[in-house]
Amino acid sequence: DIQMTQSPSSLSASVGDRVIITCRASQGIRNDLGWYQQKPGKAPKRLIYVASSLQSGVPSRFSGSGSGTEFTLTISGLQPEDFATYYCLQHNTYPWTFGQGTKVEI
Amino acid sequence: EVQLLESGGGLVQPGGSLRLSCAASGFSFSNYGMSWVRQAPGKGLEWVSAISGRGGTTYYADSVKGRFTIARDNSKNTLYVEMNSLRAEDTAVYYCAKDDSGYDWNRVYYQYGMDVWGQGTTVTVSS
Repeated sequence: DIQMTQSPSSLSASVGDRVIITCRASQGIRNDLGWYQQKPGKAPKRLIYVASSLQSGVPSRFSGSGSGTEFTLTISGLQPEDFATYYCLQHNTYPWTFGQGTKVEI
Repeated sequence: EVQLLESGGGLVQPGGSLRLSCAASGFSFSNYGMSWVRQAPGKGLEWVSAISGRGGTTYYADSVKGRFTIARDNSKNTLYVEMNSLRAEDTAVYYCAKDDSGYDWNRVYYQYGMDVWGQGTTVTVSS
């Protein structure tokens, strides 16, 4: 199975900060990676697909990059509504696997 | 509007069984693969199982293989998961999710993961 190592597991940030979250795959997954945001008690919401494509309706302050084994999610100018937990998901090979999550806190 | 609505969750004893359903609307259900994803209390997301659009191909996480069976009824636009031999560690919120997949203008298949999720249904395995 492909392991997804996500870091950091949590971070403290302030409104306006630039936040970078990283996912590393245990083997190459091309660009078959998505980023999801989850708020407490809610279903995950996709932000980025195929590593760098912005989901329709998602603010442009969210961006993704990477290919192969190293991927990043960047939030440029953190907003109050961005405080949440973020997950990466590889969908290159079954079983699909998520990163452990990154909780973005104030 | 694409909508997914899970149901069937509840309290079940260890070793028991439960069937979850996911009613889909707003898209051509049979054209898309579907998945189940779960989240144990206070934990991260875990992909559980997936099924192709026509139902002929299924995939499972090792943690549920041999105990869970994913299925779909395209005439009813409904996804299912039959869960047997349930364990305490199966306690979680279970989400169904739609695949973002299909064929592009060049007839090349693409798979972009899961784009739409239901609100989840809670399964508690406890005596």
